[in-house]
Amino acid sequence: SQQGEEDPQALSIQEGENATMNCSYKTSINNLQWYRQNSGRGLVHLILIRSNEREKHSGRLRVTLDTSKKSSSLLITASRAADTASYFCATHDNKAAGNKLTFGGGTRVLVKP
Amino acid sequence: EAGVAQSPRYKIIEKRQSVAFWCNPISGHATLYWYQQILGQGPKLLIQFQNNGVVDDSQLPKDRFSAERLKGVDSTLKIQPAKLEDSAVYLCASSLSIAYGLYNEQFFGPGTRLTVL
Repeated sequence: SQQGEEDPQALSIQEGENATMNCSYKTSINNLQWYRQNSGRGLVHLILIRSNEREKHSGRLRVTLDTSKKSSSLLITASRAADTASYFCATHDNKAAGNKLTFGGGTRVLVKP
Repeated sequence: EAGVAQSPRYKIIEKRQSVAFWCNPISGHATLYWYQQILGQGPKLLIQFQNNGVVDDSQLPKDRFSAERLKGVDSTLKIQPAKLEDSAVYLCASSLSIAYGLYNEQFFGPGTRLTVL
């Protein structure tokens, strides 16, 4: 079963605009991670935020985490055509064995040049 | 640094046939994962190995799927017999040993796209 639910499922923006996507989850977590998947390729890790953190930045990426609402958001600023991809949140459950991640359904982002 | 290698990249088979996928993780990564990603969905963990032992195979359909990592390095995932609903991308990922903590990034291979006709 999938834990995270991303919103929106799809997003189309112009180059230079910001893209925001949200993720909601159900259980207590140790951390939440965001991954990017380009068409036909594997996933690439973007950023990890721990349960005791509220905000994190990495380059043009900004992630927030609200554990009281069990939700996270990913903001991509000044988007580029190369940012066109699917974005997935993945949660590390407090009770999960090992390093198990549970992925959401993803947000498909199209950045038009 | 070489990434996670998978082969083949594409496979087309008829239902009821068998198929095998191969994965070579990043050198030094003790933990290996197999995921199934159906079109339009996020990856779903099938099985997780720590060295050559199974950590979690709770979502592996054991009546038709099997996986092994005999020497704690390479791994193979087999489906026998395949069903139409097995059409998906099969992703392999690896990470440092889970003994190092809970925050290990997973590195993914390019995946094998399986089509069952």
